[in-house]
Parts: sequence; C-alpha cells; structure tokens
Amino acid sequence: DTGVSQDPRHKITKRGQNVTFRCDPISEHNRLYWYRQTLGQGPEFLTYFQNEAQLEKSRLLSDRFSAERPKGSFSTLEIQRTEQGDSAMYLCASSFSQGENEQYFGPGTRLTVT
Amino acid sequence: KQEVTQIPAALSVPEGENLVLNCSFTDSAIYNLQWFRQDPGKGLTSLLLIQSSQREQTSGRLNASLDKSSGRSTLYIAASQPGDSATYLCALEGGKLIFGQGTELSVKP
Repeated sequence: DTGVSQDPRHKITKRGQNVTFRCDPISEHNRLYWYRQTLGQGPEFLTYFQNEAQLEKSRLLSDRFSAERPKGSFSTLEIQRTEQGDSAMYLCASSFSQGENEQYFGPGTRLTVT
Repeated sequence: KQEVTQIPAALSVPEGENLVLNCSFTDSAIYNLQWFRQDPGKGLTSLLLIQSSQREQTSGRLNASLDKSSGRSTLYIAASQPGDSATYLCALEGGKLIFGQGTELSVKP
C-alpha cells in the first residue's frame, strides 16, 4: 500500500453514461497526477495539479473529461458520455514537488464501457 | 517529443539467472528516471529513482543505471526469483512521467 487510494476499484458502465472517479493522495503531497493505461501499454499522462491549480492537460483529455482538485487534497476525474474507447485503467499518483518529486501510485480504477 | 522504448517486450528466464532490462529515451533533458513494477491488474510500485545527476541506484537485488549521453537506462536483477515475475516499466520525469511500454518478465521455478 503506497498511501494513495482510489475509488471505485472497478466500474462497469453503459456507453453514454457519465462516471466519476476519486483519488486521495498521500496527505503531505502537493502534486496529484492522473494517467490512463490500456492493456499491454505503459500509462499515458492525462493531467496534473499542484495544490488546487491544474498545471497541465494532455491532448488525450478531450472535452468529455474533466478533473478537479477543489481544496488541494482529493481529486475527481469525470468522464461524460462514455465511449467504448474509454475502457482502461485510470491511475492516480501523488508527489511532493520539492526534492526528488518521486511519484507514488494508487491501485487504479478499472473502467469497462459496454 | 520524448519517446521511451523498452526492450525486450517480454522475457522468460529460469530461476536464479541474472538479467538486464533496457530502457532508451530520445531527449536527455530529463529530471529523474524511475523504474516501476506492475503486477497484473494492479497499480505501479516504485522500485528505484535515479536523479539526473546520478549514474546509478541500488536496492537489494536491483541495480539501475542511467547514461544520459547515450539515452539509456538499465535495470539489473540479480539471482532472479519467481516472485520477480511482473511487468517492469521505466519512466522519464519532466514534471509528468513518460513511460515505456514495459517488459513482461517471467521467472520459471
């Protein structure tokens, strides 16, 4: 257990539905990252926050995706109007920006869109 | 644009062998390099982090090296065990992490 938690661990939804995932980082970490991983591939960066500010978004993050970190603690990732291509593992990581900035990952949320 | 390549994609070895996993990258302007382990259906576990000013890091049976000039890192696993079976990922850090596709390792008893 790295100290980063994600909820839910698994989500099955029908195409067109909205889903929301939550990530709770290690409490003293000020950075929080979201990645997406499909089968047989390495994780791909989606977005990251430093405190409340969203500092970078990947082109992978289409307008159906939105992420928030309202109080600089937990974060949510929402996908609207899900598509089958959204099926993947969604991984959250956190780090402390001073020093090595080593990222610690949560267990992931497995999304299946039917 | 930073690209990360891991070779081989899969590797099967008998228990007790020493082995080397390779990671190459195109842009030497990196901050850190991390090696991760991922078990099937699970999240990532950080194994080693090498800062850009360092050349290697060791943890137990694992040794990772970094050569920025050639754009390469290697992960050396000594005396492999069946419990080492997993996918190993390298990632370059420049704010966000950029991952390779991983090497799937199988250690046979």
